[in-house]
Amino acid sequence: GIQVEQSPPDLILQEGANSTLRCNFSDSVNNLQWFHQNPWGQLINLFYIPSGTKQNGRLSATTVATERYSLLYISSSQTTDSGVYFCAGDSGGYQKVTFGTGTKLQVIP
Amino acid sequence: KAGVTQTPRYLIKTRGQQVTLSCSPISGHRSVSWYQQTPGQGLQFLFEYFSETQRNKGNFPGRFSGRQFSNSRSEMNVSTLELGDSALYLCASSSTGSTFGDFGPGTRLTVT
Repeated sequence: GIQVEQSPPDLILQEGANSTLRCNFSDSVNNLQWFHQNPWGQLINLFYIPSGTKQNGRLSATTVATERYSLLYISSSQTTDSGVYFCAGDSGGYQKVTFGTGTKLQVIP
Repeated sequence: KAGVTQTPRYLIKTRGQQVTLSCSPISGHRSVSWYQQTPGQGLQFLFEYFSETQRNKGNFPGRFSGRQFSNSRSEMNVSTLELGDSALYLCASSSTGSTFGDFGPGTRLTVT
């Protein structure tokens, strides 16, 4: 199956700072998605972004499918942004779903 | 709309026992998928059901099974529990069966 590498693995930000999280895929993926897992374990969909750029408030994402990477931008970070950010995709249906290992973000006041 | 619900939220079992977890999808969603999250293996796909049929299955032993009812509610069962089955079990539902969907809050299973 495909390999998904996320960087950085850990990130500590001062409230108000901006950050960029990266996701690299070893092969072409379908259904690329970004998630935020809050400290209670709830996984929340952020972006479905197999290609192109999307924005939702302070968050935006860009996927360059031809180069097999995706970026998640967080601007003006808030303490509620803390948690783990995952990217995931599949290379052909559910059986080939692969999640990245995540970026653990801590935003401090 | 009401979100995906999972019961119970927390569970402690002993090695060798079996456990059943429940997932109620968003109203109108016919696809339910299950995932296991552990510190060592991360997030892994278990199986997906659509209209009471298992359509997809991940790479897990036969001790892990599931089913879906006519109202789209789904259960997963783990028999002969092992310590390594301790995990957060997440389910997700979607209307079309597209990958992922909306996730529930999870059931945290601890096997002692």
